[in-house]
Amino acid sequence: KAGVTQTPRYLIKTRGQQVTLSCSPISGHRSVSWYQQTPGQGLQFLFEYFSETQRNKGNFPGRFSGRQFSNSRSEMNVSTLELGDSALYLCASSLDPTGMNTEAFFGQGTRLTVV
Amino acid sequence: AQTVTQSQPEMSVQEAETVTLSCTYDTSESDYYLFWYKQPPSRQMILVIRQEAYKQQNATENRFSVNFQKAAKSFSLKISDSQLGDAAMYFCAYRSGIQGAQKLVFGQGTRLTINP
Repeated sequence: KAGVTQTPRYLIKTRGQQVTLSCSPISGHRSVSWYQQTPGQGLQFLFEYFSETQRNKGNFPGRFSGRQFSNSRSEMNVSTLELGDSALYLCASSLDPTGMNTEAFFGQGTRLTVV
Repeated sequence: AQTVTQSQPEMSVQEAETVTLSCTYDTSESDYYLFWYKQPPSRQMILVIRQEAYKQQNATENRFSVNFQKAAKSFSLKISDSQLGDAAMYFCAYRSGIQGAQKLVFGQGTRLTINP
């Protein structure tokens, strides 16, 4: 069974540009969450999608957005990139978020560098 | 808001020895889950062990066990018979017990080094 797949693995962008990151969850998983990991702030929750709807959002500016498709694949977009957006972006998928015993399985992340 | 604190930025242990990583958390909820995740150099977060707050029994997974003290809001991880492959960043994480809640709140992490 394939794990959570994030593409691309590495990305270099220029300040002011926008970027789109992709996450394919484990087959059958319907919930996808995104996290930003930086040395200074650690791991911070960005947002979570379930059945194409954003159910929860972290404390990030509106430049960070996401969406989920009918096949549960998710994308996150960052517009007007800033140097501080350089980070490892992790995606996690869960089988059944309405249940009480769901585990979050993580992808290997996308390393975004803004120059 | 819930917070998770890991007070040990770095720890080291001799191979085959036992090490304990500390974690404290703050919440007003009575129903929640606690996790320890491992992040090796490959960067992929791997679930090590989980604990349901309503369970009094401490969780155990092979060489990994936790000491869950609900009243003290403490959740430490004990690794027995440490192996070189255990070297990684370890993150303690909290998740609300509200149905459907998926947001994980992470601590700052502890870097564990295994000395051969």
